[in-house]
Amino acid sequence: QQQVKQSPQSLIVQKGGIPIINCAYENTAFDYFPWYQQFPGKGPALLIAIRPDVSEKKEGRFTISFNKSAKQFSLHIMDSQPGDSATYFCAASKTDSWGKLQFGAGTQVVVTP
Amino acid sequence: EPEVTQTPSHQVTQMGQEVILRCVPISNHLYFYWYRQILGQKVEFLVSFYNNEISEKSEIFDDQFSVERPDGSNFTLKIRSTKLEDSAMYFCASSGGRTGGNQPQHFGDGTRLSIL
Repeated sequence: QQQVKQSPQSLIVQKGGIPIINCAYENTAFDYFPWYQQFPGKGPALLIAIRPDVSEKKEGRFTISFNKSAKQFSLHIMDSQPGDSATYFCAASKTDSWGKLQFGAGTQVVVTP
Repeated sequence: EPEVTQTPSHQVTQMGQEVILRCVPISNHLYFYWYRQILGQKVEFLVSFYNNEISEKSEIFDDQFSVERPDGSNFTLKIRSTKLEDSAMYFCASSGGRTGGNQPQHFGDGTRLSIL
């Protein structure tokens, strides 16, 4: 059972473009949705997270949009830079769980100069 | 910035042997986790640990696996009688509270386990 579905698998954008990564979840009990960034040889690093009581959250050039009724959320990377080239994972968890994060399959983003 | 450290970075083991993966979580964190990532696949939850006991585990975490906090700083994952399919990157994570809100999980850089 795939609890969090992530798309696309990969995408390439030019510098300054806005890569958009989409995730959909099934379990309506999920109430915490983080995005992680992973560079080769490194562990996932938290970028930004959102809870379902807000529809949008911005931190620097990263924005999460959240649609509770559609059970979907997305990451936008504004003014993307070559240094943003990485794999991005969405995840979800329930507050009443013991921290179990359900990850999406990941999106490899390449930002060309 | 405090970080989670994992050793070794790469472990090569013969099938059937036991391995211990080590982690030093962030010092004031109370919740600890292990995840694994098989090459090319998503990150999968294995186990969470709080107050010296397992709080939740996945169906992957069977009797072959165990976790321990042997002292005040280390958190270990033991895999007994390793199998070829145990080859993966294993990540340790820690958080200051239960995940959600202001208590994110911080990940180490992982141990790549190769079973021959």
